[in-house]
Amino acid sequence: AQSVAQPEDQVNVAEGNPLTVKCTYSVSGNPYLFWYVQYPNRGLQFLLKYITGDNLVKGSYGFEAEFNKSQTSFHLKKPSALVSDSALYFCAVRDGRNTDKLIFGTGTRLQVFP
Amino acid sequence: EPEVTQTPSHQVTQMGQEVILRCVPISNHLYFYWYRQILGQKVEFLVSFYNNEISEKSEIFDDQFSVERPDGSNFTLKIRSTKLEDSAMYFCASRVEGGVANTEAFFGQGTRLTVV
Repeated sequence: AQSVAQPEDQVNVAEGNPLTVKCTYSVSGNPYLFWYVQYPNRGLQFLLKYITGDNLVKGSYGFEAEFNKSQTSFHLKKPSALVSDSALYFCAVRDGRNTDKLIFGTGTRLQVFP
Repeated sequence: EPEVTQTPSHQVTQMGQEVILRCVPISNHLYFYWYRQILGQKVEFLVSFYNNEISEKSEIFDDQFSVERPDGSNFTLKIRSTKLEDSAMYFCASRVEGGVANTEAFFGQGTRLTVV
């Protein structure tokens, strides 16, 4: 069965510092991996995805994520955090060719302090 | 920039009543979805819809739920007899390609359903 784990409920970081939001996954086939962000009272906004190819993918708002097959991880990163990055971040996986549905993690609240 | 729109943003209904949540997906998209997020919990898949029929559904999507694309633009989720545990944020999403291609889903802003 597919699953996604986001081990941290909350990540606190000072503005200007690098940030990492962790995600690990479990699928039976090839993983299609996604990060979404949810701002208060808003829907889920797509940030970036990994399907195949380069393990480092770049997305919106300066975010990037690194796919690590051996560790089954897809951590979200940004070199320099902004206060405006404060939001709820969801990792999601689709099990390649086997299904069309997204399985979401429980979410990580990122708090960036000025 | 095209977006998925959902109405209403908040719906309050009495237990046992029928409710219809409405969505207008992005116009050239072919795959449509409903997800829900119970307060404080993870986002859960309910159903996917393609070519005017359900292509996949979760165990949550029981006989009380139905989906319809009544015209070329709207996509609706109906809950026939609401229960307290149906209270959640319901998200509609759409995707541009069919099958299990690698495109991302775009989500609406959600409808908060409160069953009292």
